[in-house]
Amino acid sequence: QITLKESGPTLVKPTQTLTLTCTFSGFSLSSNGVGVGWVRQPPGKALEWLAVLYWNDNTPYNPSLRSRLTITKDTSKNQVVLTMTNMDPVDTATYYCAHRLYTWGAFDIWGQGTLVTVSS
Amino acid sequence: QSALTQPPSASGSPGQSVTISCTGTSSDVGGYNYVSWYQQHPGKAPKLMIYQVSKRPSGVPDRFSGSKSGNTASLTVSGLQAEDEADYYCNSYAGSYNFVVFGGGTKLTVL
Repeated sequence: QITLKESGPTLVKPTQTLTLTCTFSGFSLSSNGVGVGWVRQPPGKALEWLAVLYWNDNTPYNPSLRSRLTITKDTSKNQVVLTMTNMDPVDTATYYCAHRLYTWGAFDIWGQGTLVTVSS
Repeated sequence: QSALTQPPSASGSPGQSVTISCTGTSSDVGGYNYVSWYQQHPGKAPKLMIYQVSKRPSGVPDRFSGSKSGNTASLTVSGLQAEDEADYYCNSYAGSYNFVVFGGGTKLTVL
């Protein structure tokens, strides 16, 4: 059974750097075709893709946010970490991590999400 | 990389069918058979309903079906049930850099 869970601060100040951790179980990020991605959703708004980290260390990013994002992994801990710099109130959103199958081209299993508020 | 275009709302009565469209370009929806659809109930995480345009993951009712024509993909929900009332998002692979793009979402109301 695949599960993912996001963790990190619920409140960050403007200009600070956000660090979110996705802890997963039930699969290996070393397995062919597997990836873990991040998607966010501002309150009442649509989903927005942020980044994916694949088994082969390929790391595509949303071009509009590329300069602010970094996605990394800690294989020994079964974790994927997303950092976003220079946070702004418009970045207030629920942040989800999700299991992605390269061959499906889809996020098939999602974490519960974590709400991050950006405010001074 | 622009968001895919979906109608903001759709509705139907129980037992009826409703179709939600998702329009992109030849660089995303039209160029690849990697369109997926997600259902999201209020306060919940999205759930994958359709992948690769028309395939259903295990456990998704066959009332949900997907298709594509040119740059537009569609999700059809047949035999509408009250629990189908939710937001639906389309998603597409968008190019050789492995980009991903979502639609703006459609709120489905079961009358």
